[in-house]
Amino acid sequence: QKEVEQNSGPLSVPEGAIASLNCTYSDRVSQSFFWYRQYSGKSPELIMSIYSNGDKEDGRFTAQLNKASQYVSLLIRDSQPSDSATYLCAVNGWGYGGSQGNLIFGKGTKLSVKP
Amino acid sequence: DGGITQSPKYLFRKEGQNVTLSCEQNLNHDAMYWYRQDPGQGLRLIYYSQIVNDFQKGDIAEGYSVSREKKESFPLTVTSAQKNPTAFYLCARSLGAGGQGTDTQYFGPGTRLTVL
Repeated sequence: QKEVEQNSGPLSVPEGAIASLNCTYSDRVSQSFFWYRQYSGKSPELIMSIYSNGDKEDGRFTAQLNKASQYVSLLIRDSQPSDSATYLCAVNGWGYGGSQGNLIFGKGTKLSVKP
Repeated sequence: DGGITQSPKYLFRKEGQNVTLSCEQNLNHDAMYWYRQDPGQGLRLIYYSQIVNDFQKGDIAEGYSVSREKKESFPLTVTSAQKNPTAFYLCARSLGAGGQGTDTQYFGPGTRLTVL
């Protein structure tokens, strides 16, 4: 059974704090991992992709991947009210019996950054 | 628009009607996808196409149909057989499906379909 799990939240953090978003996935052969941000009523936009174990940094965002623990996270430093959105984790469905290009999405974590 | 457009933005359908949602991309990408999103839910794959004139069913294809006659276009028809079609429909593109980097998906702005 293909599964990508996220805490639905809402996760509330004060402005300027670090927001930590977590995602676990069920299939060990997954190779590609993505974080998308979705504002209310809008379509998802790609924030980061990560393929190798360890950290990947892009501005205020850091993605962390641990394939042994089947865990991927997103850290947002110096959180701003404009970061308030739902964050979707997606995993390539190579091991899920479908096309290797298909992504499996979690249901998302709603983040609220309070001024 | 990120190289992918969807129209219309809002669509209203009466019971028993078929409606077609448009999705166009101008980046010469091979792969295109249709997802459905319900409130508080993740994205569920309806259909995908990795090459012109070929497409595959996703997890929830019943009541939907697609075509891929041109590389840049991947329209979705919501038929009257779809019992609960009210949802946010998202089209996405990716360079291909050949592995790292080529499977990154980029989304269009979406079409919000409401059944009256």
